[in-house]
Amino acid sequence: DVKVTQSSRYLVKRTGEKVFLECVQDMDHENMFWYRQDPGLGLRLIYFSYDVKMKEKGDIPEGYSVSREKKERFSLILESASTNQTSMYLCASSPWSGSPLHFGNGTRLTVT
Amino acid sequence: DAKTTQPNSMESNEEEPVHLPCNHSTISGTDYIHWYRQLPSQGPEYVIHGLTSNVNNRMASLAIAEDRKSSTLILHRATLRDAAVYYCILRPTRPIQGAQKLVFGQGTRLTINP
Repeated sequence: DVKVTQSSRYLVKRTGEKVFLECVQDMDHENMFWYRQDPGLGLRLIYFSYDVKMKEKGDIPEGYSVSREKKERFSLILESASTNQTSMYLCASSPWSGSPLHFGNGTRLTVT
Repeated sequence: DAKTTQPNSMESNEEEPVHLPCNHSTISGTDYIHWYRQLPSQGPEYVIHGLTSNVNNRMASLAIAEDRKSSTLILHRATLRDAAVYYCILRPTRPIQGAQKLVFGQGTRLTINP
C-alpha cells in the first residue's frame, strides 16, 4: 500500500514564525500536492509538483512556498505564519497525471 | 473547472445499500469521475473512478448515466465504518497541468445508523 507520511499530526506556531510542513511518499510517485482544508470551504489546492524541482501554483498559493529537492519529499513552507493560516494541511501523491491521489492523514496547524 | 453537485447529507441503516448521487451537467468528454471519501480525522481516501462505463471494485460500484451528466456511488451493504464525507470530483486527463487540479466540493456527509 502507498504510504504518504506527514511529519506532524499537530503543530502550534506563533505569528511571524517560519513553518515547515514535511511530506514523504514511499511509492516513487511523480506528482505531489499540498491542500488545506477548512470548514465550509472544503479542500483547496495550494501547490503541486509533477517532478523534482518543479512546482505549480494551485488556487491559493499566497503566503506559501514549496520545495521538492528529492522525488519522495515535498515540503510546504509558511515564510511568516499568520493566524489565517490556521488550518488542516493535507499532502497527497499520485503516480501519473490523472491517476488517483493518495493522501496523508494531515497536519493540524494552529497559529497563535 | 466543471463542477459537481451533491446532497449535503444522507442517512442510511447498517447492512442496507446506499446510493450517493452526484450531478455534473457541465462534464466534458475527457473528464473522469472520481469518488473519494474522508473518514473522521483522516485524509481523503480514493474509492473509485470511471469515464463512461459502470465500474466495480471491492469498495463500491459506480453507475454513470448514459449522458454522463450524473453518476451514483453505490455501497452495496453499508457498515458503520462507511460513515464519512463522500466527494464526487471531475478530473480532466489533459492537459497535464489541468489533470493535477483535483477540485473538491463540499461532499455528502453519510451517516450510518446501527
